[in-house]
Amino acid sequence: DQQVKQNSPSLSVQEGRISILNCDYTNSMFDYFLWYKKYPAEGPTFLISISSIKDKNEDGRFTVFLNKSAKHLSLHIVPSQPGDSAVYFCAASELGGNQFYFGTGTSLTVIP
Amino acid sequence: NAGVTQTPKFRILKIGQSMTLQCTQDMNHNYMYWYRQDPGMGLKLIYYSVGAGITDKGEVPNGYNVSRSTTEDFPLRLELAAPSQTSVYFCASSWTGGTGNTIYFGEGSWLTVV
Repeated sequence: DQQVKQNSPSLSVQEGRISILNCDYTNSMFDYFLWYKKYPAEGPTFLISISSIKDKNEDGRFTVFLNKSAKHLSLHIVPSQPGDSAVYFCAASELGGNQFYFGTGTSLTVIP
Repeated sequence: NAGVTQTPKFRILKIGQSMTLQCTQDMNHNYMYWYRQDPGMGLKLIYYSVGAGITDKGEVPNGYNVSRSTTEDFPLRLELAAPSQTSVYFCASSWTGGTGNTIYFGEGSWLTVV
């Protein structure tokens, strides 16, 4: 049972435009969310996180939005750059939990 | 600054063989994890450990074993390899689990069982 879902397997965006990657979750006990970026033949690397006490967190070109009532989060990349082309995973964990649950990933291609 | 180091990077196994994937971290993290990633799928947790001497099953533990004798090392053992274990394996670590923590990954181990 997939508790964290990324329903778009792929996304293509023109360089300079906004990329919006979406993630939905089913477990109402999740209180911490992370985004990871993965290049081919490498391990995932941490990008940005958000706690459930916030609805937005920004780090440079990357912003994560959290809508708890909809159990939905999104990652915005503005402006998108060709080097952002990678697979993006969202992940979630429960308050006091020991595990992180990952989505299936969205492959982003930024077209120069 | 090494972080999480996994070996080997690539390995081909025959059905029924056994092997150990090695993982070590130099960040003094308490928690360590083993994930596998199949094509088009997310990262599935195999086993995790909250400290030396303590291990627990994740979502997909069948066919695997782990041990955690030191803080730094968390090897994953595959007994009697099967084609279904063909996958990319990622070791990871974090200070603790859950809220406020970041999980750091190794570069991955590509395993093919033929």
